[in-house]
Amino acid sequence: GIQVEQSPPDLILQEGANSTLRCNFSDSVNNLQWFHQNPWGQLINLFYIPSGTKQNGRLSATTVATERYSLLYISSSQTTDSGVYFCASEGQRFGAGTRLTVKP
Amino acid sequence: GAVVSQHPSRVICKSGTSVKIECRSLDFQATTMFWYRQFPKQSLMLMATSNEGSKATYEQGVEKDKFLINHASLTLSTLTVTSAHPEDSSFYICSATATGRYGYTFGSGTRLTVV
Repeated sequence: GIQVEQSPPDLILQEGANSTLRCNFSDSVNNLQWFHQNPWGQLINLFYIPSGTKQNGRLSATTVATERYSLLYISSSQTTDSGVYFCASEGQRFGAGTRLTVKP
Repeated sequence: GAVVSQHPSRVICKSGTSVKIECRSLDFQATTMFWYRQFPKQSLMLMATSNEGSKATYEQGVEKDKFLINHASLTLSTLTVTSAHPEDSSFYICSATATGRYGYTFGSGTRLTVV
């Protein structure tokens, strides 16, 4: 099956900083999504983005399908952005996640 | 927006007993539901995929007799952990999608503790 790798595994930011999270996948995908899991365990679907670029407020994502990676950008980070960010391909294959801590 | 309700959110049970977890899609018909298990500080591991009206498809290594999944209607799937043991303690999460929809909506998870 498709392997999904995320980097970095951990990220600590000061409030207001920007960050980029990366997701590499081992084969072509038709379904790539980004999720945020808050500290209480709730998962929120951020983007469905098999290709191209999407933006939603301070978050945006870009998937370059031909090069098998996706990027999640967080701008002007806030403490509420803390949690774990996962990407997942079809077949519900999740990466190991990036644990983000935003400090006030 | 799409809402998936999962309950209970937390359950403690004794070894040897069975526990049922419900996952309901509240405002859409979920043709497919997924069940995951998540250990502390780890990623989600897909356990099984269930399509309404048919038997669930289990991932390799997941015991179908241990984790019984029923998807009897387009809005409800249940996961029953049978004869639970302490090693079954984990965070269980469901998600749902439907034909023509993009993306998945997750339940809020169930933290199971077996004592």
